[in-house]
Amino acid sequence: TQLLEQSPQFLSIQEGENLTVYCNSSSVFSSLQWYRQEPGEGPVLLVTVVTGGEVKKLKRLTFQFGDARKDSSLHITAAQPGDTGLYLCAALTVDSNYQLIWGAGTKLIIKP
Amino acid sequence: EAGVAQSPRYKIIEKRQSVAFWCNPISGHATLYWYQQILGQGPKLLIQFQNNGVVDDSQLPKDRFSAERLKGVDSTLKIQPAKLEDSAVYLCASSLRPGLAGVSTDTQYFGPGTRLTVL
Repeated sequence: TQLLEQSPQFLSIQEGENLTVYCNSSSVFSSLQWYRQEPGEGPVLLVTVVTGGEVKKLKRLTFQFGDARKDSSLHITAAQPGDTGLYLCAALTVDSNYQLIWGAGTKLIIKP
Repeated sequence: EAGVAQSPRYKIIEKRQSVAFWCNPISGHATLYWYQQILGQGPKLLIQFQNNGVVDDSQLPKDRFSAERLKGVDSTLKIQPAKLEDSAVYLCASSLRPGLAGVSTDTQYFGPGTRLTVL
């Protein structure tokens, strides 16, 4: 069974702090996506990473795909209350028939 | 561009009752997905349609769950009879086309979900 493990499960920090959340697996993935889900809404895609070692930036969010394509991280600089939400990673394997494998998410709360 | 629409947003039923959810994907999107998201977990794919054909329903509990996508547009997901463990948010998503296997995946756009509580 392919699993994506996200850590930490829960994180509560003050506005202005930096944070990093992780998505790890023992399997190699062809691509990995990060989503943010707010209460009462569906997940919204933030980024897709494809190449090992790839780094993508989205304003204060920096996404990295591990060299071996088994792990990824999301770093948020100077977190703001608007960053609050559930951050989910999802990955696609070579033979998954386009089916995404999802992590359980990191619930992030940014306190003003 | 209108997003994925789902209804109802909330539903409370008693166990052994039946319930149906409706999804209207983004216009022109060929692929439609139904996910189940239990509190504290990531989404779990129940069924994937390509136009009006089923691509993957391996995780759909077929003894109680059914889904259809008539005419390759709207879709309904039904649970009959419901169990307590079916309490979850049911998400519908659509994408323009499936991704190229092993390279990338086309963006999935999610609806707001239907929160089901089974008492």
